[in-house]
Amino acid sequence: DQQVKQNSPSLSVQEGRISILNCDYTNSMFDYFLWYKKYPAEGPTFLISISSIKDKNEDGRFTVFLNKSAKHLSLHIVPSQPGDSAVYFCAANPAGTYKYIFGTGTRLKVLA
Amino acid sequence: NAGVTQTPKFRILKIGQSMTLQCTQDMNHNYMYWYRQDPGMGLKLIYYSVGAGITDKGEVPNGYNVSRSTTEDFPLRLELAAPSQTSVYFCASSPSPRLLFFGSGTQLSVL
Repeated sequence: DQQVKQNSPSLSVQEGRISILNCDYTNSMFDYFLWYKKYPAEGPTFLISISSIKDKNEDGRFTVFLNKSAKHLSLHIVPSQPGDSAVYFCAANPAGTYKYIFGTGTRLKVLA
Repeated sequence: NAGVTQTPKFRILKIGQSMTLQCTQDMNHNYMYWYRQDPGMGLKLIYYSVGAGITDKGEVPNGYNVSRSTTEDFPLRLELAAPSQTSVYFCASSPSPRLLFFGSGTQLSVL
């Protein structure tokens, strides 16, 4: 039972354009969400987060949008750069717990 | 600042062997986690700890054991290695349940 889903295994985007990575969840009790980026042979690194009381959080080129009614969040990267090529994971924290449930990841390739 | 350090980086085990994956953090974080990542899959939580002496099961704890005797260390023990445990293992620590800092991973093959 996959509670956090990233239905697009891969995405290719031209350099300078917008990358949109999507994440759907099934548990309405998730109250905090994280996005991580992972390069090969490295551990995931934190990118951006959002609380369930917000619908948007922005940090430089990265913006996360949360649609609670649709149980959907998305990560926008604009403009996309070749260095953004990596696997992106969304993760959700069930309220009142100390753990995170991760999605399966989306491999982003930014073409120069 | 070393952050989260995992050793070894690579290991090959034979079926039935045992080993301990080491994880240590120097950030004085109370929360520590073990995840595994199978090819093409997301990270699955194996065990986690909210402080020294306190551990709890995650999504996929079978075949593993953990201990947390100090704030810094959170070793993961495989008692009888099986091919299904071939994976990349990530340890993470956190000052609160709001942000995870990951180590660089241990790639384990069980043959």
